Amino acid sequence: QVQLVESGGGVAQPGRSLRLSCAASGFTFGDYGMHWVRQAPGKGLEWVAVIWYDGSNKYHADSVKGRFTISRDNSKNTLFLQMNSLRVEDTAVYFCAREVPGDRIDYWGQGTLVTVSS
Amino acid sequence: QLVLTQSPSASASLGASVKLTCTLSSGHSSYAIAWHQQQPEKGPRYLMKLNSDGSHSKGDGIPDRFSGSSSGAERYLTISSLQSEDEADYYCQTWATGTWVFGGGTKLTVL
Repeated sequence: QVQLVESGGGVAQPGRSLRLSCAASGFTFGDYGMHWVRQAPGKGLEWVAVIWYDGSNKYHADSVKGRFTISRDNSKNTLFLQMNSLRVEDTAVYFCAREVPGDRIDYWGQGTLVTVSS
Repeated sequence: QLVLTQSPSASASLGASVKLTCTLSSGHSSYAIAWHQQQPEKGPRYLMKLNSDGSHSKGDGIPDRFSGSSSGAERYLTISSLQSEDEADYYCQTWATGTWVFGGGTKLTVL
């Protein structure tokens, strides 16, 4: 069955960096687009970034553009989110999600918590 | 601008039915959406893709109690025979090249 397992969350000071990972299994990873979506405490879902199945295209939300970078390693079935220049408002649970290419998000991970605090 | 609007809350009794609404912004009434469910303290779960003509395709293991329909810019999620585990947040989501959008979510309370 499809599994997406996030890791790498934790506590970071403002201005520092964190790198999130999402290990995928149960499907052919290189056939699917992948997203990062976050949820601040008590808030709704916010789309963060997407990467095409082959890594050829990437898009980032304006709120993270220039600070976060999505990437993937299809040989290791792993998705990444490099988060630099972290801000307090980046505090959230970060979910990875699978996308049917050009279509819907159809599977989600359980999330990893990132807390940015001094 | 592509925007999805949802009512913040809804409630219905155990065993009853409820219809949740997601409204697409002006000029986007032909867009498909997806519905996702998030139970407390869990990651979201994909429920279904819902097209503008009302056709829908559900995710793996989604019960028949969950159905979708469309009218103009409105997209609906109907849950029948409500069970306690249906108490959750429900999000609609849509997409266009370079843009992925979530609605603000509807918190469903099962009375």
